[in-house]
Amino acid sequence: GESVGLHLPTLSVQEGDNSIINCAYSNSASDYFIWYKQESGKGPQFIIDIRSNMDKRQGQRVTVLLNKTVKHLSLQIAATQPGDSAVYFCAENYGGSQGNLIFGKGTKLSVKP
Amino acid sequence: DTEVTQTPKHLVMGMTNKKSLKCEQHMGHRAMYWYKQKAKKPPELMFVYSYEKLSINESVPSRFSPECPNSSLLNLHLHALQPEDSALYLCASSQAGTYYNEQFFGPGTRLTVL
Repeated sequence: GESVGLHLPTLSVQEGDNSIINCAYSNSASDYFIWYKQESGKGPQFIIDIRSNMDKRQGQRVTVLLNKTVKHLSLQIAATQPGDSAVYFCAENYGGSQGNLIFGKGTKLSVKP
Repeated sequence: DTEVTQTPKHLVMGMTNKKSLKCEQHMGHRAMYWYKQKAKKPPELMFVYSYEKLSINESVPSRFSPECPNSSLLNLHLHALQPEDSALYLCASSQAGTYYNEQFFGPGTRLTVL
């Protein structure tokens, strides 16, 4: 299930199950969104991106859904594996300026074997 | 080469010290970034360089001074830091001039200010 800790929401899933990580973004003018995965001691790693003219995009084992009406983004991971354990951040690009990425709070995904 | 490298991995400095963080990429990217990340928090943008010119400064205190000597290198000069500046400092790069481009991140420098 999902819980909100002192600083970082945590999602705990069983290996092999599907995971859904949610993100509410702040700016209705944002038109480009990226999901990053950050493992302990490492920098963020690109997973998948989506432009605002799309509502769904699929990658390998991952799907991103965008709902602009409610400013909501989700990342679905199919058949979650222990190697998926990490902190996941959504990031939005707004303001017409390249590189002006604003990161969401992050969700810690823990996969139980 | 699809890596962004950062040195040093760890840095401990006193409040009167001057030190520099270094970042390098050989992907031909002309946009480079510095972020600050506190524990259990998301990265926060500090500076953006585009074509070796500073394009965004997110109201960062002057004790942090960025420098982009060429298209592959990005430095962050540190002087008279405070203990609350202790954090993971991340460098990233991306293509410039096109809006929809992912940023590639380095592993970061873990900075501790005593």
